[in-house]
Amino acid sequence: GENVEQHPSTLSVQEGDSAVIKCTYSDSASNYFPWYKQELGKRPQLIIDIRSNVGEKKDQRIAVTLNKTAKHFSLHITETQPEDSAVYFCAARYSSASKIIFGSGTRLSIRP
Amino acid sequence: GAVVSQHPSWVICKSGTSVKIECRSLDFQATTMFWYRQFPKQSLMLMATSNEGSKATYEQGVEKDKFLINHASLTLSTLTVTSAHPEDSSFYICSARASLETDTQYFGPGTRLTVL
Repeated sequence: GENVEQHPSTLSVQEGDSAVIKCTYSDSASNYFPWYKQELGKRPQLIIDIRSNVGEKKDQRIAVTLNKTAKHFSLHITETQPEDSAVYFCAARYSSASKIIFGSGTRLSIRP
Repeated sequence: GAVVSQHPSWVICKSGTSVKIECRSLDFQATTMFWYRQFPKQSLMLMATSNEGSKATYEQGVEKDKFLINHASLTLSTLTVTSAHPEDSSFYICSARASLETDTQYFGPGTRLTVL
């Protein structure tokens, strides 16, 4: 079935340290994996995405890796800053229906 | 570019009434719009997929007669919560995709519905 699992549910890191959030997906035909950041009461904002034809993508302090064999993908945030505090959602596009299914979310807190 | 708006941003209604939420793509034509529901501190749960000019495809467990979706134009989709009850209180968010060739979905700001 269509399922995206995300871990951890909460994550607290010291400012300046790195944060890693991991997700797994169930459909091997999935080909698109976006990551969203959502602040309290606001809309999800796309921060980075990766397609199945690449294994890694980086944008400044944010990087995403994809392991198609294991059906894992991860978000890496380096040099964390207070403004990185938010809820992060991974997602996977299920190609059979062109819909995007979200993970359960990770509440990231950056300690000053 | 790629701005999606929703109206209203919040609404309070009495139990038994119906509420309509609008989702508009402001600077692009959206062939597909999606409606999500989000409970406090939870993930976004896809309710239905709406393609312009055709009937919406509902996810398992979502009552199509209770959550009416209309996608009459390439820039507007509406969600009507009929005979709302307190358990329908939630944050409803739409998203829009420009075409089948693009993967990116742009989200609206959400509508907070409270049913008394």
